[in-house]
Amino acid sequence: QLHLQESGPGLVKPSETLSLTCTVSGGSISSSDYYWGWIRQPPGKGLEWLANMYYSGSTYYNPSLKSRVTTSVDTSKNQFSLKLSSVTAADTAVYYCARWHRIADSFDYWGQGTLVTVSS
Amino acid sequence: EIVLTQSPATLSLSPGERATLSCRASQTISSYLAWYQRRPGQAPRLLFYGASTRATGVPARFSGSGSGTDFTLTISSLEPEDFAIYFCQHRSNWPTFGQGTKVEIK
Repeated sequence: QLHLQESGPGLVKPSETLSLTCTVSGGSISSSDYYWGWIRQPPGKGLEWLANMYYSGSTYYNPSLKSRVTTSVDTSKNQFSLKLSSVTAADTAVYYCARWHRIADSFDYWGQGTLVTVSS
Repeated sequence: EIVLTQSPATLSLSPGERATLSCRASQTISSYLAWYQRRPGQAPRLLFYGASTRATGVPARFSGSGSGTDFTLTISSLEPEDFAIYFCQHRSNWPTFGQGTKVEIK
């Protein structure tokens, strides 16, 4: 059974960079059938897709955040990461990592999510 | 950008009752729609993709239907563990989500 777990600071100061890592267990991140993604949900708002990345390095970003988002994949650790720069209070959200199934056009496995609060 | 609108926002029902959740797309999306369930404190779970293809392990009391712009998730007889938030998702240029429907105990 595939398991994804987000990790990273729960509190980030305004203007700093939010950094999260997703560790994948129970399966390889190097599978050609899947992308690996980040989604967030601010309090009281809907889900927002941030980025999808392939194990080889190809990435796709939400255009509204593209200038602030950086992603990476570490196949040796079976991990992928998200960095969001110049954060503001509007970036406070529960951040999820998930696996994107290329054929099903959906996220078939998700992490539990981690709350990141932007505050001084 | 395609907008997904879910209704109702909250559905108050009793165990054993039938739940009918709607997801409407702002443009036709064929059958490219997924449904998810999120229970408190748990990871979201994929229920359906392709509008009606059940994901692995999803009980038969759940069904997905629709195409074009109107989609429905039906739970034929609510079990206690079905009280959760449900949201739909489509991928046009990028994945987008509906706002969610909360199914709560009446």
